[in-house]
Amino acid sequence: QKEVEQNSGPLSVPEGAIASLNCTYSDRGSQSFFWYRQYSGKSPELIMFIYSNGDKEDGRFTAQLNKASQYVSLLIRDSQPSDSATYLCAVNTLMDSSYKLIFGSGTRLLVRP
Amino acid sequence: DVKVTQSSRYLVKRTGEKVFLECVQDMDHENMFWYRQDPGLGLRLIYFSYDVKMKEKGDIPEGYSVSREKKERFSLILESASTNQTSMYLCASSHGADTQYFGPGTRLTVL
Repeated sequence: QKEVEQNSGPLSVPEGAIASLNCTYSDRGSQSFFWYRQYSGKSPELIMFIYSNGDKEDGRFTAQLNKASQYVSLLIRDSQPSDSATYLCAVNTLMDSSYKLIFGSGTRLLVRP
Repeated sequence: DVKVTQSSRYLVKRTGEKVFLECVQDMDHENMFWYRQDPGLGLRLIYFSYDVKMKEKGDIPEGYSVSREKKERFSLILESASTNQTSMYLCASSHGADTQYFGPGTRLTVL
């Protein structure tokens, strides 16, 4: 069973702090990795994707990938109360000769004003 | 912008009814997916399709069927709704192994 693991949280940080969200995955052959944000009662929306080892930055968000250690993380700088949501890590994995996105169960982030 | 729409945001049905959930995407994506999302269980794949008239079972296909007669439309069918199918249903589409884009979701309640 190929898995994606996330700490369910909640992760509570003060406004303006850096929030660090982590995800580990079991399939060493995975090639692409995604972070989605999901507000309560809404559908997931893509924040970032990353394919290569290292860091990828987009505004206040940085995705970090370490394929050797099989983890991917999301850093949110200058956290805002509007960042309070559940963050889903997703890993594209080859299963039964087709690619599927395997989702973690999500980490709930709370940003305190 | 990719747009994925779902036929209803909220739906209430009775046990035993046949339920149709429709999903339409406007980006010519070949791949379409149906998930359900329940508290504590995350997103679970029900069915997916990589081409017109093609379908593949996901992780939890029991009690569901799908139809893909046109590339832009993917329907999820509950042949005889049961209370344990009360859930949030999410449709998604993608091009190849690329990003999946989600519709707004349908919150289905089966009484």
